[in-house]
Amino acid sequence: DAGVTQSPTHLIKTRGQQVTLRCSPKSGHDTVSWYQQALGQGPQFIFQYYEEEERQRGNFPDRFSGHQFPNYSSELNVNALLLGDSALYLCASSLWDRVTYGYTFGSGTRLTVV
Amino acid sequence: AQRVTQPEKLLSVFKGAPVELKCNYSYSGSPELFWYVQYSRQRLQLLLRHISRESIKGFTADLNKGETSFHLKKPFAQEEDSAMYYCALNYGGSQGNLIFGKGTKLSVKP
Repeated sequence: DAGVTQSPTHLIKTRGQQVTLRCSPKSGHDTVSWYQQALGQGPQFIFQYYEEEERQRGNFPDRFSGHQFPNYSSELNVNALLLGDSALYLCASSLWDRVTYGYTFGSGTRLTVV
Repeated sequence: AQRVTQPEKLLSVFKGAPVELKCNYSYSGSPELFWYVQYSRQRLQLLLRHISRESIKGFTADLNKGETSFHLKKPFAQEEDSAMYYCALNYGGSQGNLIFGKGTKLSVKP
């Protein structure tokens, strides 16, 4: 079992560009959550997807959007990139209704905006 | 508003010494708390959750609602315990999501 897989591992983008990050959840998991981790900070919740719908959203602007596919994989899209969007983006998978069992995290995508 | 505070950015102890990583939370509901750990060059992983009252790798954590704390403890630190530790609060119920503290880096010296 490969666990949670994220791609790419590193990415450099220019301010104003758009970026798409990808995540494949752990086998058997149906829920995907995305987190942003800035340097020196803990992960911050962006949004959660289940049954191809956004179920919960953190305090992030509409420039951040996502999608979940029928196979449970997910994408995070960020438009009009700002320098402040530079961070590690983590994907976490779980079973719906069982968050308390804990997430399985991916290794993350390191996004640098220049 | 819900909040998780880890007051120490860095905690350095010698091998064999007791360890206590502090975590305080602010939440109006019934809290569900977790400790996550990230070893060097590894992904973030669940260490323990308060509802299971388990001990993992010798670590324990007790929820103190009166002091709104969930401190992580280990009686005898090992060098392999050196890692980044994050306290997290589930604020959304069974489909909820986590608020993380800023983390504490534990360094265990030989």
